[in-house]
Amino acid sequence: DTAVSQTPKYLVTQMGNDKSIKCEQNLGHDTMYWYKQDSKKFLKIMFSYNNKELIINETVPNRFSPKSPDKAHLNLHINSLELGDSAVYFCASSQEGGNQPQHFGDGTRLSIL
Amino acid sequence: GEDVEQSLFLSVREGDSSVINCTYTDSSSTYLYWYKQEPGAGLQLLTYIFSNMDMKQDQRLTVLLNKKDKHLSLRIADTQTGDSAIYFCAERSMGFKTIFGAGTRLFVKA
Repeated sequence: DTAVSQTPKYLVTQMGNDKSIKCEQNLGHDTMYWYKQDSKKFLKIMFSYNNKELIINETVPNRFSPKSPDKAHLNLHINSLELGDSAVYFCASSQEGGNQPQHFGDGTRLSIL
Repeated sequence: GEDVEQSLFLSVREGDSSVINCTYTDSSSTYLYWYKQEPGAGLQLLTYIFSNMDMKQDQRLTVLLNKKDKHLSLRIADTQTGDSAIYFCAERSMGFKTIFGAGTRLFVKA
């Protein structure tokens, strides 16, 4: 019973390509997130959706476009991939409310050749 | 802006206690969290504390909060080799954003 699942787990592709990462949660949460973790393990919020509405949009290149078809899914599409996009991307979800922690997926390891 | 800082490395011997420290800047923080990340995995919530509490204990884990100094610590008693991981401190203020520290890498020597 995977709570937050991301696909693919690994993604190796060439510079300039367009790729998507999918995320699904079966916890009934109303808020979902995308984080980028760099090689030094620093975790940076990229986007957050609450009930399919964008609520956090950090300074992220507009090559990154999130899409939430319903509150159980938040996908991340990346256009024109660059070398600096190589990282681990984590999806997370939480229920609204301050004491509700975030539940993380296992990450998608993106490598740009 | 909000910031969360932690030391990057900690090395202890198996059976000793580990203490991981964290400082944060946002005085309106409502909840503070400790997450654990093992190699190749996502972050897993270990414990959290509400900002009006001083201490929380959960089996081998003890969280201490000094709100005046904006200092949070995680103590792991009887540290085991399976505790080797990266530990992230995080704080949440009003709103949806949670700010994470850079993570403390705990190495447990047998």
